[in-house]
Amino acid sequence: EIVLTQSPATLSLSPGERATLSCRASQSVSSYLAWYQQKPGQAPRLLIYDASNRATGIPARFSGSGSGTDFTLTISSLEPEDFALYYCQQRSNWLWTFGQGTKVEIK
Amino acid sequence: QVQLQESGPGLVKPSETLSLTCTVSGGSMSTYYWSWIRQPPGKGLEWIGFFDYSGSGSSKNNPSLKSRVFISVDTSKNHFSLKLSSVTAADTAVYYCARGPPGGNPDYWGQGTLVTVSS
Repeated sequence: EIVLTQSPATLSLSPGERATLSCRASQSVSSYLAWYQQKPGQAPRLLIYDASNRATGIPARFSGSGSGTDFTLTISSLEPEDFALYYCQQRSNWLWTFGQGTKVEIK
Repeated sequence: QVQLQESGPGLVKPSETLSLTCTVSGGSMSTYYWSWIRQPPGKGLEWIGFFDYSGSGSSKNNPSLKSRVFISVDTSKNHFSLKLSSVTAADTAVYYCARGPPGGNPDYWGQGTLVTVSS
């Protein structure tokens, strides 16, 4: 099983600041890495797939990068609605796994 | 607009079988992966399994759940189902159904349904 480790666990930032979230895989997942946003009481929403492709309707302030074992989700300028939980997920083999999540909270 | 909606009992007794259905509206069930994912209260996401309707017609399940999982698709009723046998309190979670493109990530999700395992 591929283990995904996200860091930091919590990111405290102010609106307008840049957020940088990290996801590290225990072995290479090529570019088969996605990012999801989850707000309390809601289902996760797909933000980024295949490491760097924005899903339909996702604002341009969200961007993804990386390949192999190290990946980054960047939110260029935080909007109030961006404060939420973020998960990475790999699908490099049929055994999909998720990271444990990073909480982006208002400072 | 594609919509998914989970339904089923909110309370299941230990050792019994959890059964959930996901009804799909606004789109065809062909050529997609149909997944189940769960989230214990206050914890992270766990992939349960998916049914590949895009080609192989086969399912893949999380080995951590051993052989307790069965996922099926009924296109005539526009729904797919999850059965999880021999449940324990550790199976208490919000269960989500989701759709994804062949070989891709789930991009449409249901709202989730809480299932509690308790006597």
